[in-house]
Amino acid sequence: DVKVTQSSRYLVKRTGEKVFLECVQDMDHENMFWYRQDPGLGLRLIYFSYDVKMKEKGDIPEGYSVSREKKERFSLILESASTNQTSMYLCASSFVGSYQPQHFGDGTRLSIL
Amino acid sequence: DAKTTQPNSMESNEEEPVHLPCNHSTISGTDYIHWYRQLPSQGPEYVIHGLTSNVNNRMASLAIAEDRKSSTLILHRATLRDAAVYYCILTVHSGGGADGLTFGKGTHLIIQP
Repeated sequence: DVKVTQSSRYLVKRTGEKVFLECVQDMDHENMFWYRQDPGLGLRLIYFSYDVKMKEKGDIPEGYSVSREKKERFSLILESASTNQTSMYLCASSFVGSYQPQHFGDGTRLSIL
Repeated sequence: DAKTTQPNSMESNEEEPVHLPCNHSTISGTDYIHWYRQLPSQGPEYVIHGLTSNVNNRMASLAIAEDRKSSTLILHRATLRDAAVYYCILTVHSGGGADGLTFGKGTHLIIQP
């Protein structure tokens, strides 16, 4: 079975802090994604990566950056956390191709105080 | 983007089959039909996908209408662990690249013991 592991289930940080969310997949998938999920707003794509060191902006990249130094690992960085970034963050991975299923981690519930 | 329509909620009894409908009347010839589900406090989970023919896997079956304007996800014998929100979405058949997923409101499946 595909395994996508996110480093933390719950995280509490303070406004202005630099926050790192880590994601690791074990299926040799080329594509990796970061989403946030909020009540009433559904799932929104922040960034995705289709190869090592390659990245593309999603729908809501402002305030975030990403890093993919190894194929299996994709990191989301909140440069200077703000309270409106309190959310559930979800990492996913897939093989190449828009029709390929995406496999998700369990999510990180991030609270910014 | 082609849209899907699902009932807001459905209720079924444990150990009985469940048929979850999805309408996608504006589907194009290159769109795949995907189903995901999300249990409370967890990330979305891929269930099944198909293009034209009916599909089976260990989790469920997908029945696709001949005109592809609708589909049905079939859980053959529901358990309490199948209680979740089920999302039917369309993705473009593209050999390369990646697209973010957009979930609608989905169907909230309630399983009665």
